Amino acid sequence: AQTVTQSQPEMSVQEAETVTLSCTYDTSENNYYLFWYKQPPSRQMILVIRQEAYKQQNATENRFSVNFQKAAKSFSLKISDSQLGDTAMYFCAFRKETSGSRLTFGEGTQLTVNP
Amino acid sequence: KAGVTQTPRYLIKTRGQQVTLSCSPISGHRSVSWYQQTPGQGLQFLFEYFSETQRNKGNFPGRFSGRQFSNSRSEMNVSTLELGDSALYLCASSQHQGGNSGYTFGSGTRLTVV
Repeated sequence: AQTVTQSQPEMSVQEAETVTLSCTYDTSENNYYLFWYKQPPSRQMILVIRQEAYKQQNATENRFSVNFQKAAKSFSLKISDSQLGDTAMYFCAFRKETSGSRLTFGEGTQLTVNP
Repeated sequence: KAGVTQTPRYLIKTRGQQVTLSCSPISGHRSVSWYQQTPGQGLQFLFEYFSETQRNKGNFPGRFSGRQFSNSRSEMNVSTLELGDSALYLCASSQHQGGNSGYTFGSGTRLTVV
């Protein structure tokens, strides 16, 4: 079975600064997908960024980028120029290619951006 | 394009009752997945439906069931409710089953069992 671990239950950052959230996973699969979702107080899970394991290039979406280390099974999220609206719970998620749409989530990291 | 709609937003039920939650996916999305979110267990996969067929099932007792209709709308049912079923139930839709598509989530149904 796959497991996803987020070792930082809470983090805080000053507005406009950069923060990195950690995620490690355990799998014997070679083909899989990784995601970062944010969940603000509105409860809706919002996709932040995704990465295909077969791609060596790290994914980037505006201020959000990942550091994907396949051999180390690490998938960290870097948020640049943090904004107050980035305050949310962030979840790392894993999906293996053969599991349909089933996502395995980490425990989450509560990020607070301070003014 | 309307998002994923879950109804109701909040629900309070008594132990032993049953409950039905609804999820309307984004138009054109044929895959619907359900998750249970609790402070203790985090986000756990319940099941996935695609083209009216259950494709995947998580480790939940048989009291948890679901179905999908021809218009891709999905319902999940929990029978004989227990206090531990209190949770946020989220559904997510995607156009295809699997792939690298990101899944669009609804805002969830907050179920409280008393």
